[in-house]
Amino acid sequence: EVQLVESGGGLVQPGSSLKLSCVASGFTFSSYNMHWIRQAPKKGLEWIALIYYDSSNKYYADSVKGRFTISRDNSKNTLYLEMNSLRSEDTAMYYCAKTNPNWFAYWGQGTLVTVSS
Amino acid sequence: DIVMTQSPTSMSISVGDRVTMNCKASQNVGSNVDWYQQKTGQSPKLLIYKASNRYTGVPDRFTGSGSGTDFTFTISNMQAEDLAVYYCMQSNSYPYTFGAGTKLELK
Repeated sequence: EVQLVESGGGLVQPGSSLKLSCVASGFTFSSYNMHWIRQAPKKGLEWIALIYYDSSNKYYADSVKGRFTISRDNSKNTLYLEMNSLRSEDTAMYYCAKTNPNWFAYWGQGTLVTVSS
Repeated sequence: DIVMTQSPTSMSISVGDRVTMNCKASQNVGSNVDWYQQKTGQSPKLLIYKASNRYTGVPDRFTGSGSGTDFTFTISNMQAEDLAVYYCMQSNSYPYTFGAGTKLELK
């Protein structure tokens, strides 16, 4: 059974940093592209980042480009999202998702990031 | 970026109704549109991929159609458990973009 479990969210102040993790199981993690998608409170879904299965390519939404970094450790079956210079508008539930090949068949339960002073 | 304009924003429906919602892409995305269902407090769930393909285990009352820029999602016989927000998403090019969602509420 495919499982994606996010962690690392919390309450942080504007301008600070946070690193999210997503531990994958139930599939060959190193063979699949992985994504981060977020959802602000009572708002819609926003795709924010993609990393290829071998880390050879990474793509970002303009809203996070230059501040967020997606990475992965295939030996640990773990996806990461390093978030710097956090703003109030980054407050959201952050989901990791697996594509197969382009659609999101599997999502984690999400981890909540709140940016507030 | 490709803008996905989803309509309507919300619908008041009754059990047994036929429900139709639409998504219009700002440019040609081929058949690369997927539909997701999100119930309150849950992660989104894939229902339809590549415009018209029902994902594994999805009931056949859910159907999708369209290509190019215009896409339609239909629930043929609305059930109470289908109350949710539905999102379209284009997976043709990065950044992937979602529609704003259609919320189904009971009349």
